[in-house]
Amino acid sequence: QVQLVQSGSEVEKPGASVKISCKASGYTFTTFALAWVRQAPGQGLEWLGWINTNTGNPTYAQGFTGRLVFSLETSLTTAYLQISSLKAEDTATYYCARYFTYYYYYMDVWGKGTTVTVSS
Amino acid sequence: EIVLTQSPGTLSLSPGERATLSCRASQSVSSSYLGWYRQNAGQAPSLLIYGVSRRATGIPDRFSGSGSGTDFTLTINRLEPEDFAVYYCHHSDDSVGTFGQGTKLEIK
Repeated sequence: QVQLVQSGSEVEKPGASVKISCKASGYTFTTFALAWVRQAPGQGLEWLGWINTNTGNPTYAQGFTGRLVFSLETSLTTAYLQISSLKAEDTATYYCARYFTYYYYYMDVWGKGTTVTVSS
Repeated sequence: EIVLTQSPGTLSLSPGERATLSCRASQSVSSSYLGWYRQNAGQAPSLLIYGVSRRATGIPDRFSGSGSGTDFTLTINRLEPEDFAVYYCHHSDDSVGTFGQGTKLEIK
């Protein structure tokens, strides 16, 4: 079945970097884009952006350009989110989601999330 | 930048009742780009509605979406225990994306 499996929890110090993975299976990886969303503890959902899995072109939400990097390893059907210069405010659960972008735009399959804790 | 404002913040209802959730956009949005998601406690969000009114695969017809321009509504008929969760409206296209702040649907 279609699924997205994310990497495990991470604990990092302020100023460090972290790289989260999202492995897709059950469908043709390059047919659908992948979106990234995060959720701080007790807070709502925040859009981080998406990556075109066919071209590798990323689109970042305002305010994140420069600190976030979306990348792909297409041969492994895996997407990555790297966050640099981590701050305490980056403590959150990070979700990847399959992003349908043909006329309608929506996220129909979600990973279970990766918890990132930034603490000294 | 489009801002989505959801109301109410919390809605207290009983199983079997009808829930009406609102999502207002700060400027007119295309219907193709407006969807609704449900997040049960401790779980990832899941897609309910896309394109304002189209139910996702496996979503029962108790769920319906409507609206256009800047005002959108999610209606849930005959509330069941698993419906008590947080609901988010969402808009995204090729270049931008945003979520509403969420409506918590709780058991009265």
